[in-house]
Amino acid sequence: QEQLVQSGAEVKKPGSTVKISCKTSGGTFTTYTVSWVRQAPGQGLEWVGGIVPIFGTANYAQKFRARVTLTADEATGTAFMQLNYLTSDDTATYYCARSQSNTDYYYYAMDVWGQGTTVTVSS
Amino acid sequence: EIVLTQSPATLSLSPGESATLSCRASLNVWSHLAWYQHKPGQPPRLVIYDASTRATGIPGRFSGSGSGTEFTLTISNLEPDDFAVYYCQQRSTFTFGPGTTVEIK
Repeated sequence: QEQLVQSGAEVKKPGSTVKISCKTSGGTFTTYTVSWVRQAPGQGLEWVGGIVPIFGTANYAQKFRARVTLTADEATGTAFMQLNYLTSDDTATYYCARSQSNTDYYYYAMDVWGQGTTVTVSS
Repeated sequence: EIVLTQSPATLSLSPGESATLSCRASLNVWSHLAWYQHKPGQPPRLVIYDASTRATGIPGRFSGSGSGTEFTLTISNLEPDDFAVYYCQQRSTFTFGPGTTVEIK
C-alpha cells in the first residue's frame, strides 16, 4: 500500500514562508495528481491546490493563488508546497493527498493521504 | 465557483441506526462527487467517489447516491467506528463542503 510521508511540524513568524514536503513510498507519482488540503483548528477541509507531478503543472484555489507555489520532483517522488506571507490564519494542519485515478488529472477523490504537517504561525 | 452545502450540520444517532447525509451543489457537478470520513488526529479517508462508487476497503454499509446537484451518503447499521465528520468534494473546482458531524447520541 502506497504511503505519503510529509515533513515535520513547523513554527513560523508572521510574514515568513513555509515549505512542506510530501514523499511517496511508491518511488514516483507516475500519472497521479497530488493535492494539498488544509484544516485550520475547528474548521473544515480546504483545498489549497494540486499538481500533476509528471507534467509539473499546478492548479491553485483562488484564495491562495497569490501566495502558494506547488512543485514536484518526479525523480525522487516528492511534492512540495510553499506558502508565503504567513499570517495567524494559516495556522493549520496541511495534508498532501494522491488522487484515486491515474487516468485523468483531477484533484479529486484522493485515496492516499499523508499524515499531515502542523504549521503554527505565531509571533 | 461551485459551493457545496451539507445538511444537517450534526447528526446524533445511536449505534445500529442509519445515517442519511446530504450534499447539495450550487451548480451541476454531474456524478462527480466524493465523500470523505475524517476523525481527529487522522488524515481524511475516501469513502465514496463518483457519487456511488465505494473506495477500496469501504464496507457495504456505506452507500452513495445522487447526481446533478443533490447527493446523499447513507450509512446503514452505524458502528462505533463510523462516528466522525463527513465531507463532500466536487470535481469541477475541487472544493469541499462544510461537513456533517455524525455523533453518538
